[in-house]
Amino acid sequence: GAVVSQHPSWVICKSGTSVKIECRSLDFQATTMFWYRQFPKQSLMLMATSNEGSKATYEQGVEKDKFLINHASLTLSTLTVTSAHPEDSSFYICSARRPRDGELFFGEGSRLTVL
Amino acid sequence: SQQGEEDPQALSIQEGENATMNCSYKTSINNLQWYRQNSGRGLVHLILIRSNEREKHSGRLRVTLDTSKKSSSLLITASRAADTASYFCATDAWMDSSYKLIFGSGTRLLVRP
Repeated sequence: GAVVSQHPSWVICKSGTSVKIECRSLDFQATTMFWYRQFPKQSLMLMATSNEGSKATYEQGVEKDKFLINHASLTLSTLTVTSAHPEDSSFYICSARRPRDGELFFGEGSRLTVL
Repeated sequence: SQQGEEDPQALSIQEGENATMNCSYKTSINNLQWYRQNSGRGLVHLILIRSNEREKHSGRLRVTLDTSKKSSSLLITASRAADTASYFCATDAWMDSSYKLIFGSGTRLLVRP
């Protein structure tokens, strides 16, 4: 069964609205989660590292005010795409690192389409 | 930043043939992993090879790791049409004060029936 769950799996929104994507680790408490973005026919690009109880660490070139990450509990990280525009349309995937052995588990991904 | 490069970018083979994909990376790593992704779907973890290992097998998959050359290869033997997918290597490495998993550019494999 799924170890990491993402919701929603797909979402369509109008330009200018904000969209929240949730990532939950189901079998373990994850102090560290990661958010990736994938454009069609491209690889996964790391956007940010989500740390429980502290601010997320963003990769170079990723706008922190645009992509708000909140890791309020040990099993939940959220990514909010604020004031979404068509160019934000992408596949967003999260992963959670299991503390006892460092293994990473990926969610099924969330496809965002901004009209 | 993306630290892995893969080649070829695309590979088309006949069912039954072997497929080899190569991955190069830039920094020291903790481990290297290979993933598979069907079009528009999530990732499937295939195999993990640690930095102190040189070769690993899992069913029809064979992975090698050469840390001196900072490269890895994935061999799929006796390919099947169902192996058609994109394959990514990913390096788990200490970067910017934390461990991060960084993906390579990927290889799109087409296995013709």
